[in-house]
Amino acid sequence: LAKTTQPISMDSYEGQEVNITCSHNNIATNDYITWYQQFPSQGPRFIIQGYKTKVTNEVASLFIPADRKSSTLSLPRVSLSDTAVYYCLVALYNTDKLIFGTGTRLQVFP
Amino acid sequence: DSGVTQTPKHLITATGQRVTLRCSPRSGDLSVYWYQQSLDQGLQFLIQYYNGEERAKGNILERFSAQQFPDLHSELNLSSLELGDSALYFCASSVTGQGSYGYTFGSGTRLTVV
Repeated sequence: LAKTTQPISMDSYEGQEVNITCSHNNIATNDYITWYQQFPSQGPRFIIQGYKTKVTNEVASLFIPADRKSSTLSLPRVSLSDTAVYYCLVALYNTDKLIFGTGTRLQVFP
Repeated sequence: DSGVTQTPKHLITATGQRVTLRCSPRSGDLSVYWYQQSLDQGLQFLIQYYNGEERAKGNILERFSAQQFPDLHSELNLSSLELGDSALYFCASSVTGQGSYGYTFGSGTRLTVV
């Protein structure tokens, strides 16, 4: 499984766009990139997944450059409720298990 | 409500004791995963079961064991408990045991060993 590196923490203010970048230099051809969100004392929740270029859903956008060695999770106009830990995972789509890194702790201020 | 049910939500026990954590997967999901999350630590994968059989193993201690029953619910047994076993224990389920997209996590069991 490819190792991922992401910032330990980030701060933002309500209404701002937040971009969290994840580095995965050893990503394999068949690996997908997935982001999960975890609130305190809750289980992680799937946010978005992509293979290349850009993916957008009602919650976030995921930007993946052509070399796929990094990815950026973009959260538009964050609110206080977006305060959470965000995990970037790289794994085969049919992987048997998910390996979580330390994640990025996002703190949104009023 | 994610559809994955974990009981109990909280558990306080003494060192040396044994506890059992229970997980009912989302309806239709065949695979169950157990994770441990210590204070300020990331999620550590423990073990996976698929349709009653062990499928993958992570950093699970020998004092810990798990099983998945015919009705697909799973139990994680923790024995000879130590202070360091205090953590949140999460269960996740998926339909086929494949695909990082299809994992649904429960709300966890908070274990405190005193």
